[in-house]
Amino acid sequence: GQQLNQSPQSMFIQEGEDVSMNCTSSSIFNTWLWYKQDPGEGPVLLIALYKAGELTSNGRLTAQFGITRKDSFLNISASIPSDVGIYFCAGQFDGSGTYKYIFGTGTRLKVLA
Amino acid sequence: EPEVTQTPSHQVTQMGQEVILRCVPISNHLYFYWYRQILGQKVEFLVSFYNNEISEKSEIFDDQFSVERPDGSNFTLKIRSTKLEDSAMYFCASSREGNEQFFGPGTRLTVL
Repeated sequence: GQQLNQSPQSMFIQEGEDVSMNCTSSSIFNTWLWYKQDPGEGPVLLIALYKAGELTSNGRLTAQFGITRKDSFLNISASIPSDVGIYFCAGQFDGSGTYKYIFGTGTRLKVLA
Repeated sequence: EPEVTQTPSHQVTQMGQEVILRCVPISNHLYFYWYRQILGQKVEFLVSFYNNEISEKSEIFDDQFSVERPDGSNFTLKIRSTKLEDSAMYFCASSREGNEQFFGPGTRLTVL
């Protein structure tokens, strides 16, 4: 079945640094979503991507839909302590019709003040 | 800002008991979903629901699971006879058009 691999699995960064994480698959997706999850809470939608090559920003966050439609990356600029959490990508693949999303394995971000 | 709500926040039950997890999706949304997340793992799709019927379900969603939209606001997940491995966070999500899905805060289910 479809799988989404995220890297890195976890990262420690200094406050103020930029962060980059990505999500790859061997399958083609036609929509990518990026979520952030804090401990004990539900995922919060950050960015949605619909077209190959699309670059979308939401404040300090920027995400891109890969040209091959098999990958996506998320960048966070000038990280702050509240950026701590787990970031998940989610892909919806062609032919689903029901908008079922496959979630990635997550990138755990820890920001050192 | 409208949000998805879920009750209870934590449910503890004995193995073999039935549980019902409740969700109130965002009011003008048309697509509804249940996902689960075993502790420390990724979010897994269980079932999607549209136009008052199940549109897709995963292999996890076996005969012990059922969903219902009993009225215009609630969306429920029932597990008929819980097993130890059903212990997880269960998230309800809703979407207006199916693409952007908004998650609730989750119900932590603990099966003893």
